Amino acid sequence: DGGITQSPKYLFRKEGQNVTLSCEQNLNHDAMYWYRQDPGQGLRLIYYSQIVNDFQKGDIAEGYSVSREKKESFPLTVTSAQKNPTAFYLCASKGGRFTGELFFGEGSRLTVL
Amino acid sequence: AQTVTQSQPEMSVQEAETVTLSCTYDTSENNYYLFWYKQPPSRQMILVIRQEAYKQQNATENRFSVNFQKAAKSFSLKISDSQLGDTAMYFCAFMKGNRDDKIIFGKGTRLHILP
Repeated sequence: DGGITQSPKYLFRKEGQNVTLSCEQNLNHDAMYWYRQDPGQGLRLIYYSQIVNDFQKGDIAEGYSVSREKKESFPLTVTSAQKNPTAFYLCASKGGRFTGELFFGEGSRLTVL
Repeated sequence: AQTVTQSQPEMSVQEAETVTLSCTYDTSENNYYLFWYKQPPSRQMILVIRQEAYKQQNATENRFSVNFQKAAKSFSLKISDSQLGDTAMYFCAFMKGNRDDKIIFGKGTRLHILP
């Protein structure tokens, strides 16, 4: 079945460690996104990519990094520079430019101890 | 910069009633897209309804409809004959109509449908 796969679902890390969240899609979508969800904050955009080898910062990019080497993959690295990394992270992809519909993964819950 | 505001953090209604969720946005763009997404307790986000700003007619999807007021920059979601399965977080979202694929969301409204 076509869709977005995020892994891992749950991740625990010690403070100061970098961690990479995986996001893979087989929908042949050009655009991919990473959002962070915190209680009472809604979804905040971290990074998005409109095409392979290109990505743009969202509203809260500090402390995060991404790559887009393949159309199917858009991994997110949470670096030690991110001051409050514990959160729920959602990856999404979008098909045609004018449809606007995002397809979301099931999310990754990162807890930094 | 565009912003999306949802002023109702939480709402509760009885099953079968009609409920309206509010969303306002700020933009200087003339062409854009607006969306309502639903996030049930499973946390799997799904699109509920979409509105193109250039269309005057309000979008409708079964029990879900919008009231799009472009001049007021308002985009409310009406759920008719609410069902227990409508219990979820609802997010309003905005996308510009140009080549930028950036999509931003509001803070959400938590909706409880009571039996």
